[in-house]
Amino acid sequence: DVKVTQSSRYLVKRTGEKVFLECVQDMDHENMFWYRQDPGLGLRLIYFSYDVKMKEKGDIPEGYSVSREKKERFSLILESASTNQTSMYLCASSLKSQGAGANVLTFGAGSRLTVL
Amino acid sequence: AQSVTQPDIHITVSEGASLELRCNYSYGATPYLFWYVQSPGQGLQLLLKYFSGDTLVQGIKGFEAEFKRSQSSFNLRKPSVHWSDAAEYFCAVAAIWGGGNKLTFGTGTQLKVEL
Repeated sequence: DVKVTQSSRYLVKRTGEKVFLECVQDMDHENMFWYRQDPGLGLRLIYFSYDVKMKEKGDIPEGYSVSREKKERFSLILESASTNQTSMYLCASSLKSQGAGANVLTFGAGSRLTVL
Repeated sequence: AQSVTQPDIHITVSEGASLELRCNYSYGATPYLFWYVQSPGQGLQLLLKYFSGDTLVQGIKGFEAEFKRSQSSFNLRKPSVHWSDAAEYFCAVAAIWGGGNKLTFGTGTQLKVEL
């Protein structure tokens, strides 16, 4: 069964701390994504990556960075956490393809981050 | 840029009743459209997708959706709702870039099922 695993389901951090959210997929997918989910706002794309060491900004990249050193792992980094980054973070992956053959996203279960 | 509107934040239906969740999209080209479901404490699971061809698409768990280009809509339907369908439902449209899909999601519709 294909899988996207997010290492931490729940985290509590303090303002100003550096936070790492890890995501690993075992499907050999080229594309990986980080979304944040907030009530009433749905899912918003933070960053995505289409290859190792490659990254692209999504719709809300401010305050975040990412790292993709290996194909299967995509990390989201909060350099200095703030209370407005309290949220649910969802990682997803997909195969690289175009047009009608484009594949769908497989999501992890999410990481709920609380910043105090 | 693409966008998705889900006008209903909450919907309550009785078990056994029919269901329709609304979704309107904005995209400059032929859209690729998706419906995902999120059960409490879970990630998102794909219900169905529309890429081209037949405008009525069937998905898992007895769901279907109809693509109507003239109305820019992709509404999700189920003839008879089960209590286990209580969840949050997200509509999404894909912007095609070089490597695949970059999805833009709606704000979601929370479905409550009354027994």
